[in-house]
Amino acid sequence: EAGVVQSPRYKIIEKKQPVAFWCNPISGHNTLYWYRQNLGQGPELLIRYENEEAVDDSQLPKDRFSAERLKGVDSTLKIQPAELGDSAVYLCASSNNRGGTYNEQFFGPGTRLTVL
Amino acid sequence: AQSVTQLDSQVPVFEEAPVELRCNYSSSVSVYLFWYVQYPNQGLQLLLKYLSGSTLVESINGFEAEFNKSQTSFHLRKPSVHISDTAEYFCAVSRNTGGFKTIFGAGTRLFVKA
Repeated sequence: EAGVVQSPRYKIIEKKQPVAFWCNPISGHNTLYWYRQNLGQGPELLIRYENEEAVDDSQLPKDRFSAERLKGVDSTLKIQPAELGDSAVYLCASSNNRGGTYNEQFFGPGTRLTVL
Repeated sequence: AQSVTQLDSQVPVFEEAPVELRCNYSSSVSVYLFWYVQYPNQGLQLLLKYLSGSTLVESINGFEAEFNKSQTSFHLRKPSVHISDTAEYFCAVSRNTGGFKTIFGAGTRLFVKA
């Protein structure tokens, strides 16, 4: 079974440029998460989707960040314009949370963003 | 709201020695507790979890953690570490209802020396 796929793995851009990250979750997983992991820190949730619906985006900086999961499968996270402080690893995770019971989150390898 | 404190940012240890990575949490509701491991340039992998039942949980590669409700701790232990255990370890907490939002600690870097 394929794991969570993310691309690109690395991205270097100049500040004020736009950037987008793509995530394909594990097949059949209805819940998708985007996390940001700053250097030396644990992941912090940016947004969580249940199918197509963003059910928790309270930590997403909405002035410059946007995300979509149009068909309830893969997802895109965008930053426009990027700032120096956005340099981090962006992690995508998925889980099967149907029925209201806990199920493990599976993480992708992440996209390492460097803003110059 | 939940929070997680990992008391050591780095833990150097010699191969075959025992190790303990400390984790304390705070929460006003019942929680699930987790340890994740992250190898260089990889995503996080679930190492072990406490959902309910026995307070001592074990992983397949020799790690164990014990849920201590009175001390609000979930320390990770291994009696004998290997070079291959060198990685970043994250403790995490999730409330056990309503979406299971997970809060991660800052991580502890375990460095196993030969």
